[in-house]
Amino acid sequence: GENVEQHPSTLSVQEGDSAVIKCTYSDSASNYFPWYKQELGKRPQLIIDIRSNVGEKKDQRIAVTLNKTAKHFSLHITETQPEDSAVYFCAAHNAGNMLTFGGGTRLMVKP
Amino acid sequence: SAVISQKPSRDICQRGTSLTIQCQVDSQVTMMFWYRQQPGQSLTLIATANQGSEATYESGFVIDKFPISRPNLTFSTLTVSNMSPEDSSIYLCSVVVRGDLDEQYFGPGTRLTVT
Repeated sequence: GENVEQHPSTLSVQEGDSAVIKCTYSDSASNYFPWYKQELGKRPQLIIDIRSNVGEKKDQRIAVTLNKTAKHFSLHITETQPEDSAVYFCAAHNAGNMLTFGGGTRLMVKP
Repeated sequence: SAVISQKPSRDICQRGTSLTIQCQVDSQVTMMFWYRQQPGQSLTLIATANQGSEATYESGFVIDKFPISRPNLTFSTLTVSNMSPEDSSIYLCSVVVRGDLDEQYFGPGTRLTVT
């Protein structure tokens, strides 16, 4: 089955700096890669996703990149703000409509 | 997206008892899933809830422990049976909304504590 590795497990940045979270996956058949943000005590929220026919996607301060050959994808947050502090999860989606999640990254943005 | 509700939002239960969690969606969904999130951990898929038939369970999860029902397109229940403290966790339902391709949205979760 699919295996998703996520790094780093914790990330601390200064407000205004950029943050990058990286994930690798094992199943070359995976074709959809969402990212979720989970604030303390809240549900995971879908913030951005990318499909296997696209190499990069941007939404304001958030961007995702996908390298299918290397089987890795990344989340980039620019101009970080304190409200970006949360746990971020990557996931990979295969033909069976199953999502396999990475272990999560706790992002702390220091004012 | 969709409005997803879960009941109860939290509960404290005694070991050996069972708890049924309900998930209701305000629109028709193509797929419904149940996840478990242990404290400080990632999300683990328990099973896919299939309308009108038995759920499809992931490795490590069995029907006797986690019976699931899905009588229609917008409602599902997960029962945690014969609970032990190790079952203390957050249980979340997740849906793929018809017309939204692959996007999965999560319910607010049920925080279960077993004493």
